[in-house]
Amino acid sequence: AQSVTQPDIHITVSEGASLELRCNYSYGATPYLFWYVQSPGQGLQLLLKYFSGDTLVQGIKGFEAEFKRSQSSFNLRKPSVHWSDAAEYFCAVGAPDTGNQFYFGTGTSLTVIP
Amino acid sequence: DSGVTQTPKHLITATGQRVTLRCSPRSGDLSVYWYQQSLDQGLQFLIQYYNGEERAKGNILERFSAQQFPDLHSELNLSSLELGDSALYFCASSVGGRLETQYFGPGTRLLVL
Repeated sequence: AQSVTQPDIHITVSEGASLELRCNYSYGATPYLFWYVQSPGQGLQLLLKYFSGDTLVQGIKGFEAEFKRSQSSFNLRKPSVHWSDAAEYFCAVGAPDTGNQFYFGTGTSLTVIP
Repeated sequence: DSGVTQTPKHLITATGQRVTLRCSPRSGDLSVYWYQQSLDQGLQFLIQYYNGEERAKGNILERFSAQQFPDLHSELNLSSLELGDSALYFCASSVGGRLETQYFGPGTRLLVL
């Protein structure tokens, strides 16, 4: 069965520091991979996605993610965090051959300290 | 703003009652997805409709039902409500029925007392 693991429930970083949020998935073939961000009281906003091709994908707000098939990972990175990046981050997997639903990780809550 | 609208924003009701949540997809999107977000279950896929027909089903309870109308808006009906149904319900939409980017609405927060 498909599954997504975000091992870090909560991360705290200083403003200006680099950030990496981890995501591991379980799926037999190449999945469709997404990162969404949810600010308090808001819906989910797409940061970036990977379908195929270049394994390093660029997203909005200065975020990037790298697909590593050998590690079944799709980690999200940002070189310099801004206070406005404080939010909940969700990794999602879409499994093309098992229907049209997304499987979401449990989320990582990011706190940014000045 | 994703272009997906959901009403109402907040809903407070009592156990045993029935409520209807409404979703309007982005202009041009044919697929609508419903998700439930709760503290203990996280984000769970409930159901998908594509151009008026049910396309995929997830962890949707029998007390819940949904439909998509000819104008492509969708409604999620929750009946015989229980305390555990309190959650944030999201609607998302995408252009087609196959896997692609889903755009999420702001959600409806349901509180069952």
